[in-house]
Amino acid sequence: KNEVEQSPQNLTAQEGEFITINCSYSVGISALHWLQQHPGGGIVSLFMLSSGKKKHGRLIATINIQEKHSSLHITASHPRDSAVYICAVVRNTGNQFYFGTGTSLTVIP
Amino acid sequence: NAGVMQNPRHLVRRRGQEARLRCSPMKGHSHVYWYRQLPEEGLKFMVYLQKENIIDESGMPKERFSAEFPKEGPSILRIQQVVRGDSAAYFCASSPSLGDLNEQYFGPGTRLTVT
Repeated sequence: KNEVEQSPQNLTAQEGEFITINCSYSVGISALHWLQQHPGGGIVSLFMLSSGKKKHGRLIATINIQEKHSSLHITASHPRDSAVYICAVVRNTGNQFYFGTGTSLTVIP
Repeated sequence: NAGVMQNPRHLVRRRGQEARLRCSPMKGHSHVYWYRQLPEEGLKFMVYLQKENIIDESGMPKERFSAEFPKEGPSILRIQQVVRGDSAAYFCASSPSLGDLNEQYFGPGTRLTVT
């Protein structure tokens, strides 16, 4: 069983829709990251969270440490948001990342 | 401040050849991580290095793979006698020597194709 589970695996949305991607993890962590991987393959770090909520533009990330769950929300989605979104956790026993398998998002104009 | 650099971006090797992948961390970063992304799969941790030290190599295959991060120069991930199953995207990330080690910055990746 993977330490990090994401849902859904694939998501198609109409432009303008509100999108939620979920991440659950089963290990103790010191931080959780949301990453974005575009079709070209490059990886960009969107958020790093250890508690609460962060907002950057149309993106919002929340984490509930007790429930071992995080969500990434995209408001007013746009076709340029189409990418794979990856949840990664840093275990509190080391510095390596454990990755979810990603959520492939397609936003249709 | 240049980001994490990886080269080559694309590498084609025939079965049995050696592949050398290079990663130059961001300036001021002395921690390097290597990850592998197999086709249709998620990213997997391979190895974590500091300058001249391997800190955690629990994700590295036991044979044919090695990594180093010398005092001078880039980190190198070396794959000997490549096989088709080694075809993947290899990403490195770096983090600062001081401050939050959780803050990792990713390179653009090297796509290895073994023919």
